Amino acid sequence: DGGITQSPKYLFRKEGQNVTLSCEQNLNHDAMYWYRQDPGQGLRLIYYSQIVNDFQKGDIAEGYSVSREKKESFPLTVTSAQKNPTAFYLCASMGPNWGYTFGSGTRLTVV
Amino acid sequence: KQEVTQIPAALSVPEGENLVLNCSFTDSAIYNLQWFRQDPGKGLTSLLLIQSSQREQTSGRLNASLDKSSGRSTLYIAASQPGDSATYLCAVGVGGSQGNLIFGKGTKLSVKP
Repeated sequence: DGGITQSPKYLFRKEGQNVTLSCEQNLNHDAMYWYRQDPGQGLRLIYYSQIVNDFQKGDIAEGYSVSREKKESFPLTVTSAQKNPTAFYLCASMGPNWGYTFGSGTRLTVV
Repeated sequence: KQEVTQIPAALSVPEGENLVLNCSFTDSAIYNLQWFRQDPGKGLTSLLLIQSSQREQTSGRLNASLDKSSGRSTLYIAASQPGDSATYLCAVGVGGSQGNLIFGKGTKLSVKP
């Protein structure tokens, strides 16, 4: 079945450490997105990519980095510059006519 | 700046009741409006997508309406069931071909048996 796979499901980061969240899709979608969700909050856009080797900052890009070397993959790195990284991270892709598909999320906790 | 508000933040109803969730947005220049469902600790599942030129969409017991001029959308759930318990998120599509969504904070629905 086509879909989006995010890994790991849970991730723990030590202070000053960079961590990378994986997002893979087999839907053949061009556009991919990373959102952050905090308790009781709506989703906020971190980065998005509409095509391979191109990506744009969203509303809260500071402390994060991405790459888009393959159409299927859009990994997100949470750097040590992100001071409050504890959150639920969701990856999504968009198909024709704005049809969005979301992954199951990665919960990142600072320890 | 586009802002999306969902009222109420939480709702508890007995099984079988019909209910309405509300979503409002501040800028009527949207491409579409989507309703999503989120179960605890899970990703989002798309429920209904209404293009800006449409007034409503229906899927099973769900009906969503859109009034762009007043900046409002409603999600109507008929004959609610305990399995409908989840958080429902409204999002408006902005930014043209970029495909960006602006989300509300959601309404947490609990349907009691």
